[in-house]
Amino acid sequence: DAKTTQPPSMDCAEGRAANLPCNHSTISGNEYVYWYRQIHSQGPQYIIHGLKNNETNEMASLIITEDRKSSTLILPHATLRDTAVYYCIVRAPYNTDKLIFGTGTRLQVFP
Amino acid sequence: GAVVSQHPSRVICKSGTSVKIECRSLDFQATTMFWYRQFPKQSLMLMATSNEGSKATYEQGVEKDKFLINHASLTLSTLTVTSAHPEDSSFYICSASSPQGQGGQPQHFGDGTRLSIL
Repeated sequence: DAKTTQPPSMDCAEGRAANLPCNHSTISGNEYVYWYRQIHSQGPQYIIHGLKNNETNEMASLIITEDRKSSTLILPHATLRDTAVYYCIVRAPYNTDKLIFGTGTRLQVFP
Repeated sequence: GAVVSQHPSRVICKSGTSVKIECRSLDFQATTMFWYRQFPKQSLMLMATSNEGSKATYEQGVEKDKFLINHASLTLSTLTVTSAHPEDSSFYICSASSPQGQGGQPQHFGDGTRLSIL
């Protein structure tokens, strides 16, 4: 699986949009981009995933560049409960394929 | 959405004890489940891939005789930490994917088991 690069930490004011970047310059054509987050002492929570097109769900939006070498997770209105470590992972779409976690981005939302 | 349940959530036991952790997919069948370990302030580290009806595949450096994995049904995988010692104290997390469909189905994670060996 392709490696990803994320900033180690970011801050965001409550109510503002949080934009979390991820670089995956060696991504293969069939690999999806997945985003998870982990709140302290809990299991990772699935947020969103995509292949080529931008995606949006009730939690977030995922913007993937046209060359697919990078992406941005957008939390449109961050709340204190969004404070967590966010992981960007690329993986082929087979359910036998493992997820390899990097170090992620620690997002701190402040009042 | 897909739900993965993990039990127990916390275990405290004496050194030398064997501890079993269960991972269940509640609303889907999972032919493959994954086991991770996470030490404080570190990322998740994949330990092994659990395959229903066959032997688990362990990552390099993970002792298969120490961490026994059984995946006897399509909804249950168990991880047994045998003869646990204080260095085995960690946060153990399982995950599973819903059956493959279009769009690269995501893995869903249990809430983890915090194991403390005294």
